[in-house]
Parts: sequence; structure tokens; C-alpha cells
Amino acid sequence: DADVTQTPRNRITKTGKRIMLECSQTKGHDRMYWYRQDPGLGLRLIYYSFDVKDINKGEISDGYSVSRQAQAKFSLSLESAIPNQTALYFCATSDLGQDGGEQYFGPGTRLTVT
Amino acid sequence: GQNIDQPTEMTATEGAIVQINCTYQTSGFNGLFWYQQHAGEAPTFLSYNVLDGLEEKGRFSSFLSRSKGYSYLLLKELQMKDSASYLCAVRDGDYQLIWGAGTKLIIKP
Repeated sequence: DADVTQTPRNRITKTGKRIMLECSQTKGHDRMYWYRQDPGLGLRLIYYSFDVKDINKGEISDGYSVSRQAQAKFSLSLESAIPNQTALYFCATSDLGQDGGEQYFGPGTRLTVT
Repeated sequence: GQNIDQPTEMTATEGAIVQINCTYQTSGFNGLFWYQQHAGEAPTFLSYNVLDGLEEKGRFSSFLSRSKGYSYLLLKELQMKDSASYLCAVRDGDYQLIWGAGTKLIIKP
């Protein structure tokens, strides 16, 4: 079984709709992240959480919100989706370790806003 | 500002060696990562450098020069499955990862 899972894997939604992307992990890591990836651009951090009570904005948090329901679960919401939020979204986890806290990524959610 | 530069695309031949460069300018430095990402898939960790020098892992090696703000990923004995994007990421002074746009590596037979 995958250590980091994301649901749904693909989603098509209309402008103005509220949607939620979910992430679960079985790695036991405290740190979780949400990124978006657009063609020709690097991964951009949306939000991150270092533990259940800690939520921090990343580089591009406008238009997004998150919820850390448990150590293993971190959800990303788009309050009112717009077409330029069409992207590939990744959840990741990490813990400080031998390799300096490498991040483990989920399989991604491909979101299309029409 | 924070900036990571890497070539957009490179082409190499199966069995050969290729070097992918990464230069960075960040507010602080707490390590540099290389990840591999096949099209449509998640990035996977390849290497981590925090001190100057070369780290070798099988066919892959990664080099860091902190004074020059420079790293490279060296791939030897290229295989067709190495066709992927290679992402350079720097952990800055606030322990956040800053990502480059990635280098798409095309392997030809």
C-alpha cells in the first residue's frame, strides 16, 4: 500500500464551486505539505503543517484553505474554484532524518476548473 | 529574491553520462535536494547535499559547492528509464524548500 495517498486522483469542476482534496499518510510523519505544479514552473508551496496544531501559509495560499484533522490527514480546500487553479496538486510529508528531511509525495490530484 | 536555475531540457544517449546543473540564490542555505519525476507521477527523492563535495549513490552522484551556489547531478550508464524530469530544491534559511522548474532529460537509443 502507498505511504501517501491522495483523493481524488482526477477532478473536473466548474468555476465558483468549492472542492476539497484529501491527503492521508501512514509514514507517521508530523510534517505535511500541499504543493501545486504547473507546466514550466517549479513546485509551489500552498500550505504546510508541522503538527496537528500548526498551520502555515506558503508562497501561494490565496484562494486556498487547509485542515489538519489528525497527524495522518491534511486536506486542501478551494473555496471558490477559478480556472487558473487548474494544476497538478501534490501532498507531501517529511520528518527530520538522516537525509535532512526528504519529502515523500503522494501520487497527485489533477484538477481542472472549467 | 530566491531563485533556482536549471536547464529546461537536455538530451543524452543511452549508456552515456550526463550532468545536470543547478545554480541557486536563496536567503540562507540548509541543504540541497535532487528529485526525479516521471511524467504525470510524483517526485521521488534521489539525493541530499548539505556539505561541499560529491555524494555517490550507484549510478547517480550529486555535487555541491556552497560558495558558488552550485550543484550538479551526474547520471552514469544512462538507461531509457532515466528519461524524466530532474528537480533541484534548496532548503532556505527558514527551512522551506525552494524548487527549480526542473530539467527534462530525454534519452535516445
